[in-house]
Amino acid sequence: NAGVMQNPRHLVRRRGQEARLRCSPMKGHSHVYWYRQLPEEGLKFMVYLQKENIIDESGMPKERFSAEFPKEGPSILRIQQVVRGDSAAYFCASSQYRGSRNEQFFGPGTRLTVL
Amino acid sequence: DQQVKQNSPSLSVQEGRISILNCDYTNSMFDYFLWYKKYPAEGPTFLISISSIKDKNEDGRFTVFLNKSAKHLSLHIVPSQPGDSAVYFCAARLYNNNDMRFGAGTRLTVKP
Repeated sequence: NAGVMQNPRHLVRRRGQEARLRCSPMKGHSHVYWYRQLPEEGLKFMVYLQKENIIDESGMPKERFSAEFPKEGPSILRIQQVVRGDSAAYFCASSQYRGSRNEQFFGPGTRLTVL
Repeated sequence: DQQVKQNSPSLSVQEGRISILNCDYTNSMFDYFLWYKKYPAEGPTFLISISSIKDKNEDGRFTVFLNKSAKHLSLHIVPSQPGDSAVYFCAARLYNNNDMRFGAGTRLTVKP
């Protein structure tokens, strides 16, 4: 049973370009979470999605960031017109159920570097 | 808004001794606490958790203690092994909430 997969592992973009980060949850998991880790900081929650629905996007910046989790295929975190401050490690996690007691399994992360 | 704090960025212990990692939180509504371990270039992996109705949870070499009145939890690793060297994140969740609040992490180094 493969774990959470994220690709690409490393992504380099120039200012103003778009970044697309993909996450395939563990088999049987329908809940996906995105976190961002800035240098020297802990992980910060961005968004929680179920298939075809955004459940909680309270941690997502209001502009330039969007996320989706279509019926088929991976979850996508999209950052438009990237700026240097977007450089960070972006982690995706998945869980089988929702709620605070349910363990989230993390992917290896995508390290985004904005030049 | 840093609701979960790990004030020690790093900790170094000798193999075989006890490692104690600390975490403080400010939100009394957190009802579930977790510790994650992270190696370089990998995602965090779940280590151990504790519900707010308990004050201790043990799993092998790992024990988590929760002091609700002090809003403090700690992770004890005994005996420490070189393979335990990693960054440890403390996390907290609100009841039935979707997101976790993470501390900034403590880098543990266990010397042979």
